[in-house]
Amino acid sequence: DADVTQTPRNRITKTGKRIMLECSQTKGHDRMYWYRQDPGLGLRLIYYSFDVKDINKGEISDGYSVSRQAQAKFSLSLESAIPNQTALYFCATSDLAREGQETQYFGPGTRLLVL
Amino acid sequence: AQSVTQLGSHVSVSEGALVLLRCNYSSSVPPYLFWYVQYPNQGLQLLLKYTTGATLVKGINGFEAEFKKSETSFHLTKPSAHMSDAAEYFCAVMPQGAQKLVFGQGTRLTINP
Repeated sequence: DADVTQTPRNRITKTGKRIMLECSQTKGHDRMYWYRQDPGLGLRLIYYSFDVKDINKGEISDGYSVSRQAQAKFSLSLESAIPNQTALYFCATSDLAREGQETQYFGPGTRLLVL
Repeated sequence: AQSVTQLGSHVSVSEGALVLLRCNYSSSVPPYLFWYVQYPNQGLQLLLKYTTGATLVKGINGFEAEFKKSETSFHLTKPSAHMSDAAEYFCAVMPQGAQKLVFGQGTRLTINP
């Protein structure tokens, strides 16, 4: 079984709808991240969480919210989806090691289309 | 703010040829440096990373990268390309003390038979 899973893998929704993307991990890591990937822009950080009680905004958090339900679960919500949120979304986890040593482990991604 | 520039959004090489993917960062203090690879329809996985010590870093699948402080670069190389190397490659930096990765825009590598 995969260490980092994301559901759904693909989603089509309409403008104005609320949707939730879910991420679960079995790696036992404290740190979890949500990124979006757009062609030509690489990955950009939306939100990150260093433990269950710690949530932080990334560089592009507007229009998104997150919930860290447990160490293993980190959900991303689009409160009112808009077409420019069409993208590939990745969840990632990491474990605190010495600074700079940590490796991030990525889920397979959720492809979201907002019509 | 820290930034990462990957020169060339697309690189195409012949099978067996040298692979060179370029990455430059902007920072007066060298950050921690990473290369990630994304195979089609998959998430990213770590290829290699530089934190301290030897400036030539070896990674998986025969890739290596050299940190050059004077050039603020961390270019990725492989002596002989294989068809299975076709993927998108991302350079990323973690500024010291930041605990977050900043990704470059990615370079798509195509291998020609």
